[in-house]
Order: sequence, then C-alpha cells, then structure tokens
Amino acid sequence: NAGVMQNPRHLVRRRGQEARLRCSPMKGHSHVYWYRQLPEEGLKFMVYLQKENIIDESGMPKERFSAEFPKEGPSILRIQQVVRGDSAAYFCASSPDQGGLDSPLHFGNGTRLTVT
Amino acid sequence: RKEVEQDPGPFNVPEGATVAFNCTYSNSASQSFFWYRQDCRKEPKLLMSVYSSGNEDGRFTAQLNRASQYISLLIRDSKLSDSATYLCVVNMRRGKLIFGTGTRLQVFP
Repeated sequence: NAGVMQNPRHLVRRRGQEARLRCSPMKGHSHVYWYRQLPEEGLKFMVYLQKENIIDESGMPKERFSAEFPKEGPSILRIQQVVRGDSAAYFCASSPDQGGLDSPLHFGNGTRLTVT
Repeated sequence: RKEVEQDPGPFNVPEGATVAFNCTYSNSASQSFFWYRQDCRKEPKLLMSVYSSGNEDGRFTAQLNRASQYISLLIRDSKLSDSATYLCVVNMRRGKLIFGTGTRLQVFP
C-alpha cells in the first residue's frame, strides 16, 4: 500500500516562474492537506481539501497561491510568479476522514522548492 | 499568543535519561491531540495520539490536561535514535491540525 506520493522531490524555479506541486494521497484517503515549512521553522497549515472541494484555505496567501483536488488525479498546489520567500519544503498529508483522533495525518516526503 | 507553543530546546541528554516535553494550546475547543516526530529535512511521522486519560506506548507516555490546555510527552530510557524534533499537534476543527514549532532532542552516548 503506497503512502502519500509527492512530486517532484526537488523543484528549482527562477523568480516569476510558476511552480506546480503534486500530491497523490494514500489509497482510500479522500482528504488532503498542504503544509509549508520554512527553513528552521515549524509546519504552517495552508489548505485542506476534499475531492473537488476546498474546505479550509485559511492558511493560503491571498495572492499567487491556489490548490485543487480534482475528482480524478492528484492534488495540485500551484504558486504563480514565485518569489525567493516561497523557497520552502511543502508537505502534503492525507487522511481517510477529517484527521480526527482515529485517523491522524500521513505525510508525503515533501517537495523542496528553491527559487533563484 | 501562538495557537500551539513548545519550548524549542534543544534538549541534550545522555543515553538512558528520561526527558519530558511540554506543549500548551490556546483554543479550549480543540478536539484531538498528537505528538509527531520529524527527523532532519524529512516528513513528520505520527508518534502517538494523546488521550485525556493519558496513554503509554513502550518508552513513551503522553498526557493531556484540558483544564490547563497542556500536553506532555515523556520519553524514558532515551536512545540515540530518539534524536529528532518532536512536534505537538492540535486538531482545531474540521481536520485543521496546527503544529507547534517543535522541540529538538539530541541524545548523546
């Protein structure tokens, strides 16, 4: 049973380019979460999605960032016009339900974005 | 005030020592609680859930005090392999898990 799959593992973009990060949840999981971890800092919640729905995007920057989890295919975190401050590790997690007591989050290996 | 606060450490302890980490959370409506472990530059992994009655898993014991909004993790007989960052995690609502910044533990021989 494959775990949460994220790709690419490493992504280098120049300022102004677009970054697309992909996440395939564990089999049977319909809830996806994106977190960002800046160097030497903790994980910051960005967005929580279910299939075709954004449930909570309170942690997403208002501009340049968007996320989707379509009916078919992986969840995508998209960052437009990247800036150096976007350089971070982006972790995706999934759960079979709302990440409650009996179903904690399972994390992917992360995508390390470097903006040059 | 941060939603979840932890002492960043580092805690440097010898093998075999007992070490305790604390965590406080601000939202009294928080529903569930966890400790995760993160090794350097890797993904967080669930260590254990935290129940009101307290729970134990081998050398690890977690406690929750809802009245004081306080969570603890006790590690007995520390091993070198316990060296990592320990993340206190609180489920605020609808699956939104908030992570503390973590407490670094370094176990030395």
